[in-house]
Amino acid sequence: KAGVTQTPRYLIKTRGQQVTLSCSPISGHRSVSWYQQTPGQGLQFLFEYFSETQRNKGNFPGRFSGRQFSNSRSEMNVSTLELGDSALYLCASSFDGLAKNIQYFGAGTRLSVL
Amino acid sequence: GQQVMQIPQYQHVQEGEDFTTYCNSSTTLSNIQWYKQRPGGHPVFLIQLVKSGEVKKQKRLTFQFGEAKKNSSLHITATQTTDVGTYFCVLTQGGSEKLVFGKGTKLTVNP
Repeated sequence: KAGVTQTPRYLIKTRGQQVTLSCSPISGHRSVSWYQQTPGQGLQFLFEYFSETQRNKGNFPGRFSGRQFSNSRSEMNVSTLELGDSALYLCASSFDGLAKNIQYFGAGTRLSVL
Repeated sequence: GQQVMQIPQYQHVQEGEDFTTYCNSSTTLSNIQWYKQRPGGHPVFLIQLVKSGEVKKQKRLTFQFGEAKKNSSLHITATQTTDVGTYFCVLTQGGSEKLVFGKGTKLTVNP
């Protein structure tokens, strides 16, 4: 079974631009969660999608948005990029997103904002 | 909101020494998961604890869930260089499906 796939692996953008990241979950998994990881703040939860609906949301500004498609693939968008958005963005899939289920992480997209 | 404290933030040991990281919650937990992230890698699931007082072992790793289900620990016996990485606890508050990540303990091992 293929693991969680995130594309692209690396991105360099400039302030004010927008970016879209993609995540393909493990086959059969319907829940996809997104996290931002920085050295200072650690792993912070962005949002979770289940069956094309945002089910949970973290404390991030509206510049951060996402969506999920009918095949469970998910995209995350960040608009009007700021320097502080430089981070490793991880997505994780699980069977149904319930807390008892294991989160399987992708390798992440490392975003650098210049 | 749910508060989680994971200590220590950093730990440096000599190879062969033991290592312990602790995770403490302000509220009673439904369960707790532990993940490991190698340098340059992504978090990988290690274990899940559900029952009060539960103890689980994986080779040199021992995981424990407190009796009150408010704290947990991960103990590594006789560390090896392959143990290097950041260990995260992930909490679920009772009645919630939201996962809360601890800030992690970064372990370095001197050969």
